[in-house]
Amino acid sequence: DAMVIQNPRYQVTQFGKPVTLSCSQTLNHNVMYWYQQKSSQAPKLLFHYYDKDFNNEADTPDNFQSRRPNTSFCFLDIRSPGLGDAAMYLCATSLDPQHFRYFGPGTRLTVT
Amino acid sequence: AQKITQTQPGMFVQEKEAVTLDCTYDTSDPSYGLFWYKQPSSGEMIFLIYQGSYDQQNATEGRYSLNFQKARKSANLVISASQLGDSAMYFCAMRDSFGNEKLTFGTGTRLTIIP
Repeated sequence: DAMVIQNPRYQVTQFGKPVTLSCSQTLNHNVMYWYQQKSSQAPKLLFHYYDKDFNNEADTPDNFQSRRPNTSFCFLDIRSPGLGDAAMYLCATSLDPQHFRYFGPGTRLTVT
Repeated sequence: AQKITQTQPGMFVQEKEAVTLDCTYDTSDPSYGLFWYKQPSSGEMIFLIYQGSYDQQNATEGRYSLNFQKARKSANLVISASQLGDSAMYFCAMRDSFGNEKLTFGTGTRLTIIP
């Protein structure tokens, strides 16, 4: 049974056209994370929610936003995607920051 | 500052042989956790094994074991009896309180199992 679900698995968007990626979880975990992973690189944390508290990484571009309307769902909004934003976007959850992260299957974003 | 180092960008191993993937870390926090994840070409990050800094014994999960050498700050992943399905990218990661419990990844090792 899927525990962390990401939709869509593949997303193509145009340069500058806003796009939203979705993540949902059935684990009832308190923390949800968004990572960006570019080709042949390690995942890089963009931000996370601990319950309703939003924690942004210092080097995350303003172009990236996130929303968590409830415990189960978290969204990644890219307001004006550039070619450099093409990457795999991984959602992860954990019970709390000390516990290990469960990752979703990822959404591969292409910007044309 | 925390740091994870994986010095093997790629490895080729014959099927059924054991393989060791290297990982060294750097932290001054006495309480930390070390993780290994597998990432197949599909992209999903699959959790393999966890070692806590206070754990007395090396972690094992099926064919996976973690060779934890605390004094050397080393946490190598050992895969016994490798299978073709083990071909993937492998990431070592660490979280500690000095890093605000963030999970920091190494650069990964691409493992290819040869039939």
